[in-house]
Amino acid sequence: EPEVTQTPSHQVTQMGQEVILRCVPISNHLYFYWYRQILGQKVEFLVSFYNNEISEKSEIFDDQFSVERPDGSNFTLKIRSTKLEDSAMYFCASRGLKGYTEAFFGQGTRLTVV
Amino acid sequence: SQQGEEDPQALSIQEGENATMNCSYKTSINNLQWYRQNSGRGLVHLILIRSNEREKHSGRLRVTLDTSKKSSSLLITASRAADTASYFCVTGANSKLTFGKGITLSVRP
Repeated sequence: EPEVTQTPSHQVTQMGQEVILRCVPISNHLYFYWYRQILGQKVEFLVSFYNNEISEKSEIFDDQFSVERPDGSNFTLKIRSTKLEDSAMYFCASRGLKGYTEAFFGQGTRLTVV
Repeated sequence: SQQGEEDPQALSIQEGENATMNCSYKTSINNLQWYRQNSGRGLVHLILIRSNEREKHSGRLRVTLDTSKKSSSLLITASRAADTASYFCVTGANSKLTFGKGITLSVRP
């Protein structure tokens, strides 16, 4: 069964460093998302991506964040100058045709900023 | 916001019992989805119900949708210890899916 794959599963980084979280969405899906979940808190929307551009973003997704789909298969989230409060689980998701299809999530990348 | 709000926030039942979880939302929807998250793990899609559907079944899961009341319920029948997890109702359009705060279900063996 197709699945969304995220790497790495766990990343530890020094405060102020840049990190890139990687995702391989399900082939032929059209919509891509990044979410984050701070430990013990709710799942928060960061950004959605469709047709090679950002479709919608939340207030969390400021200039510190960027997304890319560099090669037609990978979907990356870059976090510049990480802060302690960026520590969270980051989930990538993809969705197929427009309308009613379910979104499939990866297993997540646990980012720890020290 | 279309955000779903689940209740109860926490539910503890005995193995074999049924678990009913509710979700309310604020604006009109095209569909509503339920997801499960085991502790510290990924989000697993359980079931999607469209706005023109009233009830849907998948194995031991039964989902209902009442668009007039803007509410949905998820019923897990004959619960198992492995059903212990957080459950989320998710609403939203193509560009954004919005999660509720989730329900923590504990199934005691």
